[in-house]
Amino acid sequence: DGGITQSPKYLFRKEGQNVTLSCEQNLNHDAMYWYRQDPGQGLRLIYYSQIVNDFQKGDIAEGYSVSREKKESFPLTVTSAQKNPTAFYLCASSINLNQPQHFGDGTRLSIL
Amino acid sequence: GENVEQHPSTLSVQEGDSAVIKCTYSDSASNYFPWYKQELGKRPQLIIDIRSNVGEKKDQRIAVTLNKTAKHFSLHITETQPEDSAVYFCAAISGGGADGLTFGKGTHLIIQP
Repeated sequence: DGGITQSPKYLFRKEGQNVTLSCEQNLNHDAMYWYRQDPGQGLRLIYYSQIVNDFQKGDIAEGYSVSREKKESFPLTVTSAQKNPTAFYLCASSINLNQPQHFGDGTRLSIL
Repeated sequence: GENVEQHPSTLSVQEGDSAVIKCTYSDSASNYFPWYKQELGKRPQLIIDIRSNVGEKKDQRIAVTLNKTAKHFSLHITETQPEDSAVYFCAAISGGGADGLTFGKGTHLIIQP
């Protein structure tokens, strides 16, 4: 899964601040995804993108935004509207929506 | 949407014994069922998957079975080893993928020496 790069590995957010998490893939995958993982919980889908310039809300999209201007990149912005942003964020990609997903190493976001 | 239930939440087995993790799903249109292994602080890694047109798939010590009628699927690990200790997640994809993957809450597998 070395083809998916997330940065930074750790991120701290101040109150009222927006932060952006980076996700880049060089696997030539059309589909990309963002998940949130909380302790003792499974992965919950925030947003996904089937193709460039298109994205759809997942189960917990409120307080988050994304863009897909390039096939390789799918950045996630955690806005100040997300009141409980502390979590482990995982980006994934797949050839298309019905193929196995491969994950990046994740970004751990904490509140200062 | 899809709902995936996973049991047990924690499973402790003696090294060398077998481990079985079970999942049920709600959407009869679901057609793809992957299993992921996640070590502490690391990315989930795909270990095996199965599609709805087969009932069983095996890869060395790992196997997955699928019962479409009952809407459940299981992960079987034989001859468990210490490196099998991790959290395992099942998932299901439905709607031709348009709804994304729905994950179970995970099973923490502990291999006792």
